[in-house]
Amino acid sequence: GEDVEQSLFLSVREGDSSVINCTYTDSSSTYLYWYKQEPGAGLQLLTYIFSNMDMKQDQRLTVLLNKKDKHLSLRIADTQTGDSAIYFCAESIGTGNQFYFGTGTSLTVIP
Amino acid sequence: DTGVSQNPRHKITKRGQNVTFRCDPISEHNRLYWYRQTLGQGPEFLTYFQNEAQLEKSRLLSDRFSAERPKGSFSTLEIQRTEQGDSAMYLCASSSAGTGTFGYTFGSGTRLTVV
Repeated sequence: GEDVEQSLFLSVREGDSSVINCTYTDSSSTYLYWYKQEPGAGLQLLTYIFSNMDMKQDQRLTVLLNKKDKHLSLRIADTQTGDSAIYFCAESIGTGNQFYFGTGTSLTVIP
Repeated sequence: DTGVSQNPRHKITKRGQNVTFRCDPISEHNRLYWYRQTLGQGPEFLTYFQNEAQLEKSRLLSDRFSAERPKGSFSTLEIQRTEQGDSAMYLCASSSAGTGTFGYTFGSGTRLTVV
């Protein structure tokens, strides 16, 4: 199965941390990704994690992977209004030529 | 490099008409992908090219859809006899063989509205 699920909405205050969650069903995922989509734009790769890693930190972004529970999260520290967008998690399986995306989480940052 | 370029940005067509979209990938990328994104959903894989060879096709790509990449550079996606259910954002992405697993670079998409 390639079901990837995310909660639809998240609202946080500027300066707080945001945590966006994702669950997936295919345990043979090789890489997992977080993409950001702003209105009218394509998807921008934010970060990725190899499936044998537990955590990856990249400036304000922290990715946590719980492979046992098939749970992926993205933490954005010191969230800014420019972070308001839709965030998609995605997984690649096998050769990685086909990505499976979640439905996206719409993050709203309140000034 | 200007990234992945898609044209047109928007297309409105009447049901039953044919439409064609174009994607120009990043010049050094040999892999090209087409995805479809409907409102409120994540992108869904349609097809993938390595150079000029179409290596994978989704079940979503019905007989009315055809994609080409004749010289291994730009690609076209044609939809024949459009239906209202074809209304969506069509996204193109590219990667090079060495970076494919580290994520694609997406274009801004072509938004198709079938009326």
